[in-house]
Amino acid sequence: QKEVEQDPGPLSVPEGAIVSLNCTYSNSAFQYFMWYRQYSRKGPELLMYTYSSGNKEDGRFTAQVDKSSKYISLFIRDSQPSDSATYLCAMRGGGTSYGKLTFGQGTILTVHP
Amino acid sequence: DGGITQSPKYLFRKEGQNVTLSCEQNLNHDAMYWYRQDPGQGLRLIYYSQIVNDFQKGDIAEGYSVSREKKESFPLTVTSAQKNPTAFYLCATTKRGIQENTEAFFGQGTRLTVV
Repeated sequence: QKEVEQDPGPLSVPEGAIVSLNCTYSNSAFQYFMWYRQYSRKGPELLMYTYSSGNKEDGRFTAQVDKSSKYISLFIRDSQPSDSATYLCAMRGGGTSYGKLTFGQGTILTVHP
Repeated sequence: DGGITQSPKYLFRKEGQNVTLSCEQNLNHDAMYWYRQDPGQGLRLIYYSQIVNDFQKGDIAEGYSVSREKKESFPLTVTSAQKNPTAFYLCATTKRGIQENTEAFFGQGTRLTVV
């Protein structure tokens, strides 16, 4: 069983829809949670970063963490064609883990006009 | 213009050949990482280095080698022992020392294809 599970999709939605992306994890040592966005043939870029259970909002994006259920989500409101990309959840433990991230498989999202 | 530069963008390797992927950074970050990305498998850690002249194996180090002679550079060699090297390779850096808010920055990747 993988430490982090993410539905690879692909997910196709109309413009303006609310998108929900999810990851589950099994390692209780994970303390920091991230969502990366990756456009085709590019490197990932950090979208959201959180370490506590609850919600964190940034514009149209909301990251949700439930440590008791080992479940994280990313919500995209009013989705746009420019949101079409692969979304990767990532997480790490505390201490000296630094950038030793464990990634989900990535979800391919397409937002069509 | 700070950032991470990976080269080349595309690389073709013949069977039995060693190839080296370049990663250079001017962010003054201490830690550097190499990840491999395959379709449907996310990113997997190959090697990482927290300081110059020191590096550790990640989850899939077999068939790869690295060096860290300079803070700015962390080249990855894909050896002939790596039986399935076709993949997208990503270099990343983090600023060591601010542990609780460490963001990993990624280069634009090198796509390696065996021909």
